[in-house]
Amino acid sequence: DAMVIQNPRYQVTQFGKPVTLSCSQTLNHNVMYWYQQKSSQAPKLLFHYYDKDFNNEADTPDNFQSRRPNTSFCFLDIRSPGLGDAAMYLCATSRVRGGNQPQHFGDGTRLSIL
Amino acid sequence: AQTVTQSQPEMSVQEAETVTLSCTYDTSENNYYLFWYKQPPSRQMILVIRQEAYKQQNATENRFSVNFQKAAKSFSLKISDSQLGDTAMYFCAYVSNSGYALNFGKGTSLLVTP
Repeated sequence: DAMVIQNPRYQVTQFGKPVTLSCSQTLNHNVMYWYQQKSSQAPKLLFHYYDKDFNNEADTPDNFQSRRPNTSFCFLDIRSPGLGDAAMYLCATSRVRGGNQPQHFGDGTRLSIL
Repeated sequence: AQTVTQSQPEMSVQEAETVTLSCTYDTSENNYYLFWYKQPPSRQMILVIRQEAYKQQNATENRFSVNFQKAAKSFSLKISDSQLGDTAMYFCAYVSNSGYALNFGKGTSLLVTP
């Protein structure tokens, strides 16, 4: 089945130690999104790629970066994780960008900071 | 910015019964899309149902239906004949017609009991 796959499901890192989360998709969708979901809060969009075009949300901290080396893969890099970055990180895809396009989500990666 | 409010953090329903989850939103736009997503425990978020704001007819998907009240900015989800597999976190989300970012509510945790 075509799907969105996130690795790992659980990630533990140390305060200030760079960490990378991975997302891959077999849907051949043009758009890939990264959402951050803190405990008891709504998921919030960090940024997205439309093909190779990177689009950062205005209030996304500089600490967060993303890479999309090809259509199938997208990475979320946190350069110096702080305690406040502990959250569930959700990757999603859509065929094209637009309000009428349903987004398909992965299982998420739960990040803990020691 | 658009806001989405889900006023019921937790709900419980018995198997085979009907339950309604509430969602209100705030927007100044006329054309937009509304979604209900379901996130089972430790599993991926999946789309349950979608409503286009320009359509007066309420969307229906099998046991799931919505009551869309555009003037009141209300978008409730009704689950009929509840099943144990409906146990999940349910998120209401909004996207403007010209946008792409899902604006989520905080979610309602639904427990279906035998």
